[in-house]
Amino acid sequence: KAGVTQTPRYLIKTRGQQVTLSCSPISGHRSVSWYQQTPGQGLQFLFEYFSETQRNKGNFPGRFSGRQFSNSRSEMNVSTLELGDSALYLCASSQLANSYNEQFFGPGTRLTVL
Amino acid sequence: AQKVTQAQTEISVVEKEDVTLDCVYETRDTTYYLFWYKQPPSGELVFLIRRNSFDEQNEISGRYSWNFQKSTSSFNFTITASQVVDSAVYFCALSEEQDTGRRALTFGSGTRLQVQP
Repeated sequence: KAGVTQTPRYLIKTRGQQVTLSCSPISGHRSVSWYQQTPGQGLQFLFEYFSETQRNKGNFPGRFSGRQFSNSRSEMNVSTLELGDSALYLCASSQLANSYNEQFFGPGTRLTVL
Repeated sequence: AQKVTQAQTEISVVEKEDVTLDCVYETRDTTYYLFWYKQPPSGELVFLIRRNSFDEQNEISGRYSWNFQKSTSSFNFTITASQVVDSAVYFCALSEEQDTGRRALTFGSGTRLQVQP
């Protein structure tokens, strides 16, 4: 089975722009979660989607949003980028909803905001 | 509030040494799950183990072993006879129910393990 894929792998944007990141889960997995990883804050939960519905959301501003499509692929969007949004964004998939299930992570998208 | 503490920021050992990575957690839940993940330089988090709060049996998988002790709220990870390929950042994580009624993963800050040849 192919693993979780994320595109693009690297992205450079400037402040004020917006960005869309994509995640394709493992085939058959219906839950997709997103995490932000920074040197200062570590790994933080952004949100979880299951069957096209947002099930859970972390403590991030409304500039961070996401969606999930009928094929379970997910996108996350960050609007009005700030320097502090520079991070590695990781996507994880699992068969079922709820984070007590084993989650499989993708390689991440490294976003740099200049 | 949920919290996961990995007090060891960085550990350096020589190949074939045993090494233990500490993880201490805080939770008010009686039902929760603990995880360990490995993050090699490539960046992708690799799942190592999941343990639920009702299962305190220690687990061994090859050179890896885990010691879960509810009495001290600890879930420590030991690598026996470490190898250079074990060099990575290791994260301990806790899954518990939030105020939203949904579960989310809270990660510790990670321990960077360097295994020298």
